[in-house]
Amino acid sequence: GAVVSQHPSWVICKSGTSVKIECRSLDFQATTMFWYRQFPKQSLMLMATSNEGSKATYEQGVEKDKFLINHASLTLSTLTVTSAHPEDSSFYICSARLPGGQPQHFGDGTRLSIL
Amino acid sequence: TQLLEQSPQFLSIQEGENLTVYCNSSSVFSSLQWYRQEPGEGPVLLVTVVTGGEVKKLKRLTFQFGDARKDSSLHITAAQPGDTGLYLCALRSGTYKYIFGTGTRLKVLA
Repeated sequence: GAVVSQHPSWVICKSGTSVKIECRSLDFQATTMFWYRQFPKQSLMLMATSNEGSKATYEQGVEKDKFLINHASLTLSTLTVTSAHPEDSSFYICSARLPGGQPQHFGDGTRLSIL
Repeated sequence: TQLLEQSPQFLSIQEGENLTVYCNSSSVFSSLQWYRQEPGEGPVLLVTVVTGGEVKKLKRLTFQFGDARKDSSLHITAAQPGDTGLYLCALRSGTYKYIFGTGTRLKVLA
């Protein structure tokens, strides 16, 4: 079946550091990928839609200068959390949509801890 | 903004018991998906329901889509510890993106 890989799975870094998270579709091409954030014991909140070859579409309240998204190829989208602070600590999950529609397949997430 | 409310928020039951989780929307939706997520992992799709009144079964799990397509339920028969996890409903908003419900955290005790 379709597989989405996220890297790294866990990162701990100091406040002020920028962190890049990768999301790859391993056996299919994904023109659209999605980035979610999930706080402990809460549901997934959509942050942005990553579009191959064009700018990402951000949800209301998500700072695009803070969360930089690049979707330079049909198999890779990256999320960079710039100048991360402790309040950015969360579980970040990406998903990719198969060509032609449903369903979306999720990566295993990246746990980000900012000290 | 379309909201998806799930109930209950938390549920702790003994192995062998039955349970039902509900997902309610403020408006009609065209399709709805149910996912299960285990700690430290991404959600895994269980089922997609499309037609009002539709019922789908997946082993001990029964999914129902309300006639008016504003609500859905997930019923688990004879719950097992392996059913423990976060259950999420999600609806499609627009062409591509999905909005997730508030989640139901289930714990099945052996």
